[in-house]
Amino acid sequence: AQSVSQHNHHVILSEAASLELGCNYSYGGTVNLFWYVQYPGQHLQLLLKYFSGDPLVKGIKGFEAEFIKSKFSFNLRKPSVQWSDTAEYFCAVNGRGSTLGRLYFGRGTQLTVWP
Amino acid sequence: DGGITQSPKYLFRKEGQNVTLSCEQNLNHDAMYWYRQDPGQGLRLIYYSQIVNDFQKGDIAEGYSVSREKKESFPLTVTSAQKNPTAFYLCATQPEDWAGYTFGSGTRLTVV
Repeated sequence: AQSVSQHNHHVILSEAASLELGCNYSYGGTVNLFWYVQYPGQHLQLLLKYFSGDPLVKGIKGFEAEFIKSKFSFNLRKPSVQWSDTAEYFCAVNGRGSTLGRLYFGRGTQLTVWP
Repeated sequence: DGGITQSPKYLFRKEGQNVTLSCEQNLNHDAMYWYRQDPGQGLRLIYYSQIVNDFQKGDIAEGYSVSREKKESFPLTVTSAQKNPTAFYLCATQPEDWAGYTFGSGTRLTVV
């Protein structure tokens, strides 16, 4: 079975600090990887995704993530966070070729940015 | 605009009652999913459907039921058998290429 681990449950940063949120997954085959964000009071929206090609993917609002296959990781980064980045972040994976197509989610990381 | 509509946004249920949460989409996606979100537990899959008139149990299906009579609609019924129904419920769809979910805005269910 597939699973996703997000090691940071709550991260607190000051504005302009750099961000890295960890995500590791377990799956024996080829995967599609996603980061979703949930701003306070809003629905989940896609931040970025990786299917193939360049392992460094760029998303909206200055976020990027790097797929490291040997480490089964897909960490999310941002060089300089803003107060408006305060949200909950979810890493997700689905196994390519899986007939189910369902996403497996991590437990989420709550990011709080102080102005 | 294409999207997913979940209703109601807030729902209160008395113990022992069944309630139905609505999920309607106009994205023309075959696959639809219901997740439950609880603080600190992420998103857990309740039921999913890949095609009309077919659905499968997810990881926490006990106490829930679904139907998929139309491509656009995937309602979720929270039955009285669900022991801890207070949660935030999210509906999602996905295109055929498994390119990722589009989520609805959710329904917050509270048992009173």
